[in-house]
Amino acid sequence: DAGVIQSPRHEVTEMGQEVTLRCKPISGHNSLFWYRQTMMRGLELLIYFNNNVPIDDSGMPEDRFSAKMPNASFSTLKIQPSEPRDSAVYFCASSGLAGVSEQFFGPGTRLTVL
Amino acid sequence: GQQVMQIPQYQHVQEGEDFTTYCNSSTTLSNIQWYKQRPGGHPVFLIQLVKSGEVKKQKRLTFQFGEAKKNSSLHITATQTTDVGTYFCAGYSSASKIIFGSGTRLSIRP
Repeated sequence: DAGVIQSPRHEVTEMGQEVTLRCKPISGHNSLFWYRQTMMRGLELLIYFNNNVPIDDSGMPEDRFSAKMPNASFSTLKIQPSEPRDSAVYFCASSGLAGVSEQFFGPGTRLTVL
Repeated sequence: GQQVMQIPQYQHVQEGEDFTTYCNSSTTLSNIQWYKQRPGGHPVFLIQLVKSGEVKKQKRLTFQFGEAKKNSSLHITATQTTDVGTYFCAGYSSASKIIFGSGTRLSIRP
């Protein structure tokens, strides 16, 4: 199994541009999570899905952030427009069942907004 | 809202010394998980605790879940350089809330 796949691994963009981060969860997993990690704020859960349905999006910072999971094998996290304070490492994780099974994290996308 | 506090934020120990990190939740948890993140890496699952008062061991690591299911600890006996990293707890509530602690960064003097 390839594990959780994230792309791109690194993204450098300018303020105001749209950024799309992609995630392919482990096949057969029911839950998918998006996290943001910074030195100042640590690891923050942004949103998680069960069976492609968003369950808790209370961590999404503001309307500039949106996440979708159109099918069981793909999810996107979009930032539009991006701002320098969005610079962080974004992790995607998947699990068999949220709250019951361990989470498997992807390698992360390091986003830098200039 | 629900909070999970983790202390200490940093811990610097001599190799061979013990290390402990603590997590405290403002609400009762259904279960708690522990993860380790090496520098430059991603969090990796260590263990899950479900039962009140549960204690689990993995070699030099001992994990505890409090009787009230509101606190947990991770203890490492005789640290080694391979233990370097940040240790996170993740608390799960019955309200489908998942909250990660702020993490404890462990560094070790050889």
